[in-house]
Amino acid sequence: GESVGLHLPTLSVQEGDNSIINCAYSNSASDYFIWYKQESGKGPQFIIDIRSNMDKRQGQRVTVLLNKTVKHLSLQIAATQPGDSAVYFCAENITPRTGNQFYFGTGTSLTVIP
Amino acid sequence: GAVVSQHPSWVICKSGTSVKIECRSLDFQATTMFWYRQFPKQSLMLMATSNEGSKATYEQGVEKDKFLINHASLTLSTLTVTSAHPEDSSFYICSAERDLVGTQYFGPGTRLTVL
Repeated sequence: GESVGLHLPTLSVQEGDNSIINCAYSNSASDYFIWYKQESGKGPQFIIDIRSNMDKRQGQRVTVLLNKTVKHLSLQIAATQPGDSAVYFCAENITPRTGNQFYFGTGTSLTVIP
Repeated sequence: GAVVSQHPSWVICKSGTSVKIECRSLDFQATTMFWYRQFPKQSLMLMATSNEGSKATYEQGVEKDKFLINHASLTLSTLTVTSAHPEDSSFYICSAERDLVGTQYFGPGTRLTVL
């Protein structure tokens, strides 16, 4: 759902390590999820998506895991690089297909230490 | 593919003036576009859904007379902030829905500063 007035959680990792960013969603009816990356002063950039009929999806260096039982989503970044430093948001789709509104989570600020 | 542009990227205006922000899908047609607002270090808040050829759908708490949305074509949606005030200063981001699966692609955002 929406988040207003909250400070972003932060995560610091060493370059080369793996990163795990977590997201909890609220609506059990949500059936489509997207992870976005946002660098300072820029718009969000699509990373990877997953539908509720899947538990796991892999992309290039990224993996998204979906646990519908506990309504939890995670993004795993392998061999984290300095260019991965950004704010990461999960977004859930909680309306039917005719109204594809997405609602964003709080976001997590990832800092990669060289 | 799936490039979305916004114009202007940054605008500074005096209180009381109106500001128009354009959102364009450059290499695809978008029946549906979305407008978000983002305050520093906060998440994106959906303001409204813009549908080509019909009225926009506004989220609860968003004044439709304050934030006018026009989706005149399959590649262009505009957001006009009317009679802007300092509290309207924010980062405004649009997105366009590319295909039937519902993935949204975002523009680079427009920073609005109202003096």
